[in-house]
Amino acid sequence: NAGVTQTPKFRILKIGQSMTLQCTQDMNHNYMYWYRQDPGMGLKLIYYSVGAGITDKGEVPNGYNVSRSTTEDFPLRLELAAPSQTSVYFCASSQTSPGYEQFFGPGTRLTVL
Amino acid sequence: GQQVMQIPQYQHVQEGEDFTTYCNSSTTLSNIQWYKQRPGGHPVFLIQLVKSGEVKKQKRLTFQFGEAKKNSSLHITATQTTDVGTYFCAGPAGGYNKLIFGAGTRLAVHP
Repeated sequence: NAGVTQTPKFRILKIGQSMTLQCTQDMNHNYMYWYRQDPGMGLKLIYYSVGAGITDKGEVPNGYNVSRSTTEDFPLRLELAAPSQTSVYFCASSQTSPGYEQFFGPGTRLTVL
Repeated sequence: GQQVMQIPQYQHVQEGEDFTTYCNSSTTLSNIQWYKQRPGGHPVFLIQLVKSGEVKKQKRLTFQFGEAKKNSSLHITATQTTDVGTYFCAGPAGGYNKLIFGAGTRLAVHP
């Protein structure tokens, strides 16, 4: 099992550009999450999904969009990138509710200039 | 809204010294989880505590869940350089579909 994979590992965007961060898990987990982690800070939840076709906003959803068409994939879309979106983005999944451990991907380091 | 707070924010110890980080929730938690993130890495699950007053050990790490299920602690005995990283606690947020993470305690260990 590869677990949770994320692409790309690094990306530099110009202000106003758009991009999609990819996340795939092969553990057949229903729950998937997107977090951002600013330097020296904790994890802030952007969006989450409890199953294919179901998504919901987290703590900091503005400027982002998600979709969940399959159990395996949970892409995060950034529209009109801004310097405030410079961060490390982690995707995670868990078997069911957060009563189960979350498995994190290796992260995508995004810089917006 | 619900908050999870951790102290200290940062701790620097000499190798062999003990270390403790504390986690406090503004609400009662059904369970609490602890994660470790090595520098440049991603968070990795360490343990989950469910019962009031529960104590669990993993080698040199001791985890406690408070009687009121609103606080928790992680204690490392005789730290090693491999313990370096940031330790996060996390508890289920409203609706139990997501976790809320504390800001983390960054541990530096000097040989």
